[in-house]
Amino acid sequence: EDQVTQSPEALRLQEGESSSLNCSYTVSGLRGLFWYRQDPGKGPEFLFTLYSAGEEKEKERLKATLTKKESFLHITAPKPEDSATYLCAVQGWGAQKLVFGQGTRLTINP
Amino acid sequence: DTAVSQTPKYLVTQMGNDKSIKCEQNLGHDTMYWYKQDSKKFLKIMFSYNNKELIINETVPNRFSPKSPDKAHLNLHINSLELGDSAVYFCASSYRQGGATEAFFGQGTRLTVV
Repeated sequence: EDQVTQSPEALRLQEGESSSLNCSYTVSGLRGLFWYRQDPGKGPEFLFTLYSAGEEKEKERLKATLTKKESFLHITAPKPEDSATYLCAVQGWGAQKLVFGQGTRLTINP
Repeated sequence: DTAVSQTPKYLVTQMGNDKSIKCEQNLGHDTMYWYKQDSKKFLKIMFSYNNKELIINETVPNRFSPKSPDKAHLNLHINSLELGDSAVYFCASSYRQGGATEAFFGQGTRLTVV
């Protein structure tokens, strides 16, 4: 069964303090790995799709990377508005559904 | 112009009642989903429809019945509500064909059973 584990569960940083979030996964053939951002009281907002090991994608202060066993979401010089829960999900070949991790709750203090 | 919209946003009801949640997407996607997010923020698939055909039906009590009148709409009806049904329910949509199919989510319906 496909599984996703995210760490840490919660992370508190000072504004400008760069860090990384981890997403470890097991899947029977990776079709895609997804990163979402979720703000309180809202639905998950799509950020990135990664398809194969070695792939990287960037958006503003965020960069997502992928290996055969895990993905990292690097946050460079974060701002308070980057505070949110970041969710990782995988989709295996032959599967239509996304399997989510439990998320990392990120707080950026000014 | 909302891409995936759900109604209502909040739903408070008593145990034993029957309630429905509606979802509509204007992205032209052919697949729609219902996900449940529990108190620990864990998102889990419940159902998926592709062009009005049920393609995913996870282990969900049969009190939950999805209905898709067309590929742009997916509703969720819940009978005999129980305390444990309290959660946030998200509708999502995507394309089925091609490569990895990122899903786009609605804003959620917070269901509270008292």
